[in-house]
Amino acid sequence: ETGVTQTPRHLVMGMTNKKSLKCEQHLGHNAMYWYKQSAKKPLELMFVYNFKEQTENNSVPSRFSPECPNSSHLFLHLHTLQPEDSALYLCASSQYMGLDNEQFFGPGTRLTVL
Amino acid sequence: GIQVEQSPPDLILQEGANSTLRCNFSDSVNNLQWFHQNPWGQLINLFYIPSGTKQNGRLSATTVATERYSLLYISSSQTTDSGVYFCAVRLSGNTPLVFGKGTRLSVIA
Repeated sequence: ETGVTQTPRHLVMGMTNKKSLKCEQHLGHNAMYWYKQSAKKPLELMFVYNFKEQTENNSVPSRFSPECPNSSHLFLHLHTLQPEDSALYLCASSQYMGLDNEQFFGPGTRLTVL
Repeated sequence: GIQVEQSPPDLILQEGANSTLRCNFSDSVNNLQWFHQNPWGQLINLFYIPSGTKQNGRLSATTVATERYSLLYISSSQTTDSGVYFCAVRLSGNTPLVFGKGTRLSVIA
């Protein structure tokens, strides 16, 4: 247990569906992150939120929409995805963005787009 | 941007053997972490080690920041050590962590 939880753990969706991934951290951290991990590729940073403000959007298509209602929760809303979006989506948190802060990861949501 | 290279890309060990994984990076960093990703995808923090040496049980890590590399040592490997080991670095300030491609370790009984 890292103190970061993600739901659901597995998700299968059609290309016309709308779904949301949820991340919650119980560490009192102020920065939260979404990463995408595709087969045989390095982890790709998608979004960063620092004190609920988005500070990084790494050229992510608009069919992925993040939401950070408070420092403990982070959502990734999915709409009209493509099969190539199938991947493991990982959430992470750290005390602060930048400086010398250790990052902790959730267990991930394995997404399959049909 | 900063480049992070890990070697070897794949490693097969007999249970009980020792190994060294390497992470080279192309610029000065103020944050370096080693992670183990288990077969279920969970990334587990092993070390936060921007410099110096740390040990945790059968694992230890050394970062020589001036020479831009870090080493992860696994001693007396066990089958549960199997998975992918990632090195990740942060350049400075508010830049995000940059991950290497990982070393895939298989420990066989």
